[in-house]
Amino acid sequence: DQQVKQNSPSLSVQEGRISILNCDYTNSMFDYFLWYKKYPAEGPTFLISISSIKDKNEDGRFTVFLNKSAKHLSLHIVPSQPGDSAVYFCAAAGNAGNMLTFGGGTRLMVKP
Amino acid sequence: DTEVTQTPKHLVMGMTNKKSLKCEQHMGHRAMYWYKQKAKKPPELMFVYSYEKLSINESVPSRFSPECPNSSLLNLHLHALQPEDSALYLCASSPWGGWDQYFGPGTRLLVL
Repeated sequence: DQQVKQNSPSLSVQEGRISILNCDYTNSMFDYFLWYKKYPAEGPTFLISISSIKDKNEDGRFTVFLNKSAKHLSLHIVPSQPGDSAVYFCAAAGNAGNMLTFGGGTRLMVKP
Repeated sequence: DTEVTQTPKHLVMGMTNKKSLKCEQHMGHRAMYWYKQKAKKPPELMFVYSYEKLSINESVPSRFSPECPNSSLLNLHLHALQPEDSALYLCASSPWGGWDQYFGPGTRLLVL
């Protein structure tokens, strides 16, 4: 049973436009949510996180929104750049904190 | 030093070989992790070491044997692997064993 799901395996966006990546979860005990970015042949790189007590966290071009009632989070990238092309993983952790549950990933392609 | 390093980058081994993967971090992190990632799939947790003690073993076959010689080093000893064990093996570390995990670049393993 997948506790964290990214229903879009891929997303294509024009440079300069907004990219919106979505993630749904089922476990109401998750307390922290993270987004990782992964290039081929590299390890995941932490991008941005949000605690369950917040509904928005912003860092430069990246904003994560959390809707607890819908068990849904999204990552907005604006403006999108070709260098943003990568696989994005959503991850969640409970308040014990030591285990991350990853979604299946969404491949983002930003076209020049 | 703010990174997790892994050696080797690539490894090809036969099913009767014995090899080891190495992971190192000098950030003073107290928790270290091994993940396995197959193509187009999310990382799967294998082992967690917390304060140099094995705290989580996600029902990993005994042909994978982790070792944490000290707080900066994590090894994964491989013996009698199967072709289906071919994957990207990722090491991560975390300051206190929480959700903020930093990943290494991975070792791409091919078992023939």
